[in-house]
Amino acid sequence: EPEVTQTPSHQVTQMGQEVILRCVPISNHLYFYWYRQILGQKVEFLVSFYNNEISEKSEIFDDQFSVERPDGSNFTLKIRSTKLEDSAMYFCASSDAGWGASYNEQFFGPGTRLTVL
Amino acid sequence: SQQGEEDPQALSIQEGENATMNCSYKTSINNLQWYRQNSGRGLVHLILIRSNEREKHSGRLRVTLDTSKKSSSLLITASRAADTASYFCATDSTSGTYKYIFGTGTRLKVLA
Repeated sequence: EPEVTQTPSHQVTQMGQEVILRCVPISNHLYFYWYRQILGQKVEFLVSFYNNEISEKSEIFDDQFSVERPDGSNFTLKIRSTKLEDSAMYFCASSDAGWGASYNEQFFGPGTRLTVL
Repeated sequence: SQQGEEDPQALSIQEGENATMNCSYKTSINNLQWYRQNSGRGLVHLILIRSNEREKHSGRLRVTLDTSKKSSSLLITASRAADTASYFCATDSTSGTYKYIFGTGTRLKVLA
């Protein structure tokens, strides 16, 4: 069964460093998303991406964050200068349908646990 | 703002019993999804139910949706210890957004 994969599973970094989290969405999906979950809290939407551009972003997704689809398979989230409060589990998701579609079934990857020291 | 809220927040049952979790939301939706998350792990997609559907089954899972009450329930029948996890509902919106809003989750513990 196709699945979303993410690497690395755990990333430890120093405050102020740049990190890149990688995702390989399900191959025939066209819509990609990043969410995050701070320990013990809700899963929060960060950004959605379609047709090589951001289609929606939350207030969390500030100038420190960027996303890219560098090739036909990878989808990345970059945090330019990490802060302590960026420590969280970051989930990538993909779907084959976007807003308003009868089915917008989003499938999530296993997550990358980011720890900022 | 749209928000999914599950209740109860925590549920502890014996193996073999049924577990029912409820989710309420505030705005009109196209779809509602239920996910499972084992402690510190990823989100496993369980079921998607569309706004024009009232009930959906998948194995031991039964999901209902009442759009007039803006609520959904997830029933796990004949629970097993392996069902121990947190369960989340997530809703989209008819108002032009791609994102899903997640609830706070129900922590289910199934005792062997």
